[in-house]
Amino acid sequence: DAGVTQSPTHLIKTRGQQVTLRCSPKSGHDTVSWYQQALGQGPQFIFQYYEEEERQRGNFPDRFSGHQFPNYSSELNVNALLLGDSALYLCASSKNGQGRRIYGYTFGSGTRLTVV
Amino acid sequence: GQNIDQPTEMTATEGAIVQINCTYQTSGFNGLFWYQQHAGEAPTFLSYNVLDGLEEKGRFSSFLSRSKGYSYLLLKELQMKDSASYLCASEGDSNYQLIWGAGTKLIIKP
Repeated sequence: DAGVTQSPTHLIKTRGQQVTLRCSPKSGHDTVSWYQQALGQGPQFIFQYYEEEERQRGNFPDRFSGHQFPNYSSELNVNALLLGDSALYLCASSKNGQGRRIYGYTFGSGTRLTVV
Repeated sequence: GQNIDQPTEMTATEGAIVQINCTYQTSGFNGLFWYQQHAGEAPTFLSYNVLDGLEEKGRFSSFLSRSKGYSYLLLKELQMKDSASYLCASEGDSNYQLIWGAGTKLIIKP
């Protein structure tokens, strides 16, 4: 049973460009959360998608946007990239309801984004 | 504001016991998670506490005191593979957003 799959694994972009990161949740999961993790820091919540809608958003600017598709997969888009956007972007999936507390969120291995 | 504090780094000896502490101040509280993260890898779920007390899972145990805003992760019979970062995360009012600590890097020495 595949876990959470993220693509690409690594990406190098130039300031001002736009990037799209992709996530396929674990089988049976319907909720996708996106996190940004700077080196040596804990993850920072970007937003969560459920039923193709953004359900909750963290303290990130509108340059960060997302989408969830009918098959529960998700995309994270970042426009007008800044050097400070360089980080590991993690996708976490869960089953809506109490399951996330019993089994936890399942994380993908992340996309390492470098902005130069 | 919301804040999660944990020590930056700890060192322990193979076969010993180590306790990693976490204090939290979050808007509302719906539970506390512990995750393990090896360098360059995804965090993996260890435990979830919402009621006061100790939850035991094999070599790993997690404790919560809601009145003190305090949790700890206890690792017994340490193995070299336990060298990793351990992150605590609080689920606050929203039920959907986790607030994370910066992680405790645990170094195991032979």
